[in-house]
Amino acid sequence: DTEVTQTPKHLVMGMTNKKSLKCEQHMGHRAMYWYKQKAKKPPELMFVYSYEKLSINESVPSRFSPECPNSSLLNLHLHALQPEDSALYLCASSQEAAASNQPQHFGDGTRLSIL
Amino acid sequence: SQQGEEDPQALSIQEGENATMNCSYKTSINNLQWYRQNSGRGLVHLILIRSNEREKHSGRLRVTLDTSKKSSSLLITASRAADTASYFCATVLRLTGNQFYFGTGTSLTVIP
Repeated sequence: DTEVTQTPKHLVMGMTNKKSLKCEQHMGHRAMYWYKQKAKKPPELMFVYSYEKLSINESVPSRFSPECPNSSLLNLHLHALQPEDSALYLCASSQEAAASNQPQHFGDGTRLSIL
Repeated sequence: SQQGEEDPQALSIQEGENATMNCSYKTSINNLQWYRQNSGRGLVHLILIRSNEREKHSGRLRVTLDTSKKSSSLLITASRAADTASYFCATVLRLTGNQFYFGTGTSLTVIP
């Protein structure tokens, strides 16, 4: 079992739907991350939150909207997605975002399929 | 792209053999980390090596880092079927804090 919990595990949605991915950690970490991973590819960083504030947005399209309601929760709101957005979406956390000598702890991801 | 390159892309060995995978990167780093990903799961941190370190051990894992060549290697000794997974190196750049750039990954299959 991982210490970072992501829900749902699987999500199928149409291109006109609105849905949200959720991520939760109770390790007291102050940095949280969203990654996108296509099949047989490495994870690609999307967003970094540090102390509940968005610190990095890696030029992600606006149809992906992150939200950090508190230090334990991270959401990714989805709207008007395209078929190429189908992927595994991974959430991760670390103690701090600025301190680089720390590992990141990953959830098991949400497998997203866009019809 | 700041993404690292790993080789081989795929590696198949017999149980008990050693597995070596390599990672090359492009820019100066603060540290380099190795992660394992089992099929359909998230990534699990294995080991971190700082830019001023040359070698590090953790159990059956041995990591080396050569900053002059911008490369690292991960050695898994006495492999087990449970080691079957994808392995990624992640570079943390000197100037960007904790942004990770993952390498392309090595898919390891250990045959019982």
